[in-house]
Amino acid sequence: GNSVTQMEGPVTLSEEAFLTINCTYTATGYPSLFWYVQYPGEGLQLLLKATKADDKGSNKGFEATYRKETTSFHLEKGSVQVSDSAVYFCALKGGSYIPTFGRGTSLIVHP
Amino acid sequence: ETGVTQTPRHLVMGMTNKKSLKCEQHLGHNAMYWYKQSAKKPLELMFVYSLEERVENNSVPSRFSPECPNSSHLFLHLHTLQPEDSALYLCASSYRDRGHEQYFGPGTRLTVT
Repeated sequence: GNSVTQMEGPVTLSEEAFLTINCTYTATGYPSLFWYVQYPGEGLQLLLKATKADDKGSNKGFEATYRKETTSFHLEKGSVQVSDSAVYFCALKGGSYIPTFGRGTSLIVHP
Repeated sequence: ETGVTQTPRHLVMGMTNKKSLKCEQHLGHNAMYWYKQSAKKPLELMFVYSLEERVENNSVPSRFSPECPNSSHLFLHLHTLQPEDSALYLCASSYRDRGHEQYFGPGTRLTVT
């Protein structure tokens, strides 16, 4: 079956630091890959996505590249802000309409 | 209102009560999902409805009963819950195709006393 593995959190950074949250996956075929973000007290919302190998998704300064050779979709941001503090979920959606989520990684950014 | 809406946002119920959670979407999506989110645990898919198909997570207790009367509305009926059922219940919708993301509601924070 499909699976998504994310790095354990929490990740704690100072403002303006560089962020990487690792995500690797196992899936048959050619899944689409997603990063979702959940702010406190809210539901998840899409941050970015990529639907085929070598695609780069980007939004709000965050980026992730679909690497089929390493089955990875790592999330990066060059300079984090306090407002980026949230929980980040990596997910995939393959041949089925039922997605697979990682466990989530909490990010805490200090001023 | 746009997006996915959920009511109520907060619910406190005793173990002998019966209540229902409601989810609504007017995005034209053809799949709707219920998730349970507990502290320190992974997101748990409970039920999925799509094009008159229903998929169940076999580990979900029978005290949770879903209902999907049409493609825009989804309910989760609750009865004789346990304290460990206290959690955030999230509804989501999407198009079935693999390239389409899910849209989540804000969730219902359920507390079982």
